[in-house]
Amino acid sequence: DQQVKQNSPSLSVQEGRISILNCDYTNSMFDYFLWYKKYPAEGPTFLISISSIKDKNEDGRFTVFLNKSAKHLSLHIVPSQPGDSAVYFCAASEQWAAGNKLTFGGGTRVLVKP
Amino acid sequence: NAGVTQTPKFRILKIGQSMTLQCTQDMNHNYMYWYRQDPGMGLKLIYYSVGAGITDKGEVPNGYNVSRSTTEDFPLRLELAAPSQTSVYFCASSYPEGRQGSNQPQHFGDGTRLSIL
Repeated sequence: DQQVKQNSPSLSVQEGRISILNCDYTNSMFDYFLWYKKYPAEGPTFLISISSIKDKNEDGRFTVFLNKSAKHLSLHIVPSQPGDSAVYFCAASEQWAAGNKLTFGGGTRVLVKP
Repeated sequence: NAGVTQTPKFRILKIGQSMTLQCTQDMNHNYMYWYRQDPGMGLKLIYYSVGAGITDKGEVPNGYNVSRSTTEDFPLRLELAAPSQTSVYFCASSYPEGRQGSNQPQHFGDGTRLSIL
């Protein structure tokens, strides 16, 4: 049973436009959420995170929105650049559980076209 | 800093063989993790460690063993390789939870691609 789901396996967007990636979770104990970016043949790299006490967190071109009642979060990339072409993983954890363990979604492959 | 280093990058094993995937980090992180990523899927936690001498099972521990004798190293052992263990394996590390339980991002190595034939 997947506790974190990314229902769009791929997304294609024009350079300069907005990319919106979605993530849904089922475990109500999750209260900390992260987005990772992954290039081929490399490990995931941390992008941005959000705690459940917030509904929005912004870092440059990247903004994450959290809707706790809907158990849904999204990542907005504005404007999208060709270097943003990668696989993006949503991950969730329980802040107070020992071990800082993450549960990952299946990923969304983003292609930014020049 | 090298960050998290995994060796080897690629390996082909025969069914029933054993091997150890190496992972070392130079960031003095207490926490270390092993994940596997199957094609088109997300990462699944195999084992994790919150410090030297302490390890615990993740979501998919069967067929694997780990040890943590030092802060820096966290090797993953496959004793009897099976085709179902064909995957890409990622090691990660992080600081412990910050104050108020805020989680610290995990830092990943570049992975070991393992094929079992």
